[in-house]
Amino acid sequence: QVQLVESGGGVVQPGRSLRLSCAVSGFTFSAYGLHWVRQAPGKGLEWVASISYDGSDKYYADSVRGRFTISRDRSKNTLFLQMSSLSSEDTAVYYCARDILTIVLIPATPEIWGQGTLVTVTS
Amino acid sequence: QSVLTQPPSVSAAAGQKVTISCSGSSTNIGNNLVSWYQQFPGTAPKLLIYDNNKRPSGIPDRFSGSKSGTSATLGIAGLQTGDEADYYCGTWDTSLSAGVFGGGTKLTVL
Repeated sequence: QVQLVESGGGVVQPGRSLRLSCAVSGFTFSAYGLHWVRQAPGKGLEWVASISYDGSDKYYADSVRGRFTISRDRSKNTLFLQMSSLSSEDTAVYYCARDILTIVLIPATPEIWGQGTLVTVTS
Repeated sequence: QSVLTQPPSVSAAAGQKVTISCSGSSTNIGNNLVSWYQQFPGTAPKLLIYDNNKRPSGIPDRFSGSKSGTSATLGIAGLQTGDEADYYCGTWDTSLSAGVFGGGTKLTVL
């Protein structure tokens, strides 16, 4: 079955960097766009970044643009989120999700979600 | 401060129908497709509605979606206590070139 499993979360100091990974299985990795969505403790969902099926198009929320980089590795069936210049406002559960459509340059509908990984930014 | 506006909470009696609104603008809901998510505490969101009114496989027809202009609505009929959860609308914002979510609505079944 379709599975997305996030990893890489943890406690990090302000200003430092962290890379999240999302290992996927059960579907053709190269056919689907992918997303990162986060949720701060007790808060709502916040769209972070999306990447097209072939990695040619990437989109970011204003709150992370210039600090976060989304990427994908077809050989590893893995999605990444490189996060830098972290602040306490980045503390959240980070979910990766697969888009509902195949072969689109603007993925816009997260369909299947991972269980999330918690990132805590604190000194 | 979400781009999409939802009521913080709604409530209705078991067996009744409730609607949850999601208001946006021409750059998001007005020109893009809307999706709805259900989230229980401590778990990942689940897609309920996509493309304004379509249900993924396995989602009961008690859940419905509609869109008019720059607003969208989620309907839940035959309310059950198990429907108590947070509900989020989401769409693409063409101006921001990014996805956006509503602030979420907590549903209470009386």
